[in-house]
Amino acid sequence: GAGVSQSPSNKVTEKGKDVELRCDPISGHTALYWYRQSLGQGLEFLIYFQGNSAPDKSGLPSDRFSAERTGGSVSTLTIQRTQQEDSAVYLCASSSQGLAGDEQFFGPGTRLTVL
Amino acid sequence: GDSVTQMEGPVTLSEEACLTINCTYTATGYPSLFWYVQYPGEGLQLLLKATKADDKGSNKGFEATYRKETTSFHLEKGSVQVSDSAVYFCALMTGSARQLTFGSGTQLTVLP
Repeated sequence: GAGVSQSPSNKVTEKGKDVELRCDPISGHTALYWYRQSLGQGLEFLIYFQGNSAPDKSGLPSDRFSAERTGGSVSTLTIQRTQQEDSAVYLCASSSQGLAGDEQFFGPGTRLTVL
Repeated sequence: GDSVTQMEGPVTLSEEACLTINCTYTATGYPSLFWYVQYPGEGLQLLLKATKADDKGSNKGFEATYRKETTSFHLEKGSVQVSDSAVYFCALMTGSARQLTFGSGTQLTVLP
């Protein structure tokens, strides 16, 4: 079946612009995660959605970052007033129930470059 | 907070050599432990996992044993292949926090 998909695959933007990154999780998966992969910081958790519960936003690095998940499926990560340090690969993952031992299935990522 | 420390890379081996990538962790409670792999040009995928102490995860000839007494989850393979060249990430997840906490990753290159 289809895996996790993300769009766009690459995004180049100018400092100060807003960007939106999209994630389509595996159908039926209730848990959805956003991570960021950068050279200096490795893989960092950003935000976690589980069903209709309030999201866990504890990993968001600043209030310029926000995310929403509509209808329990597609998610959008928005970065406002982008900075050069936001350049990274943004990864989305989903899992069936979000339990501690569940496998997370990762998308191919969106490579964001802020000039 | 939770953290994972894994062996610094890069690691370069000849085909059929033995591999060990060390991974130790610090966590509250009893985490589930994972090894994820990222092949060149591909996304992260689960290699193996263990959810409780003394469990052994295995897949594609790789193994790792959950050692609570040493808080370790070392990745091993007896005979590596060129196709094993990738970046390997050790990770944990505790019951209270649903996100994965990753190590820094270890780049493995296997030469023919």
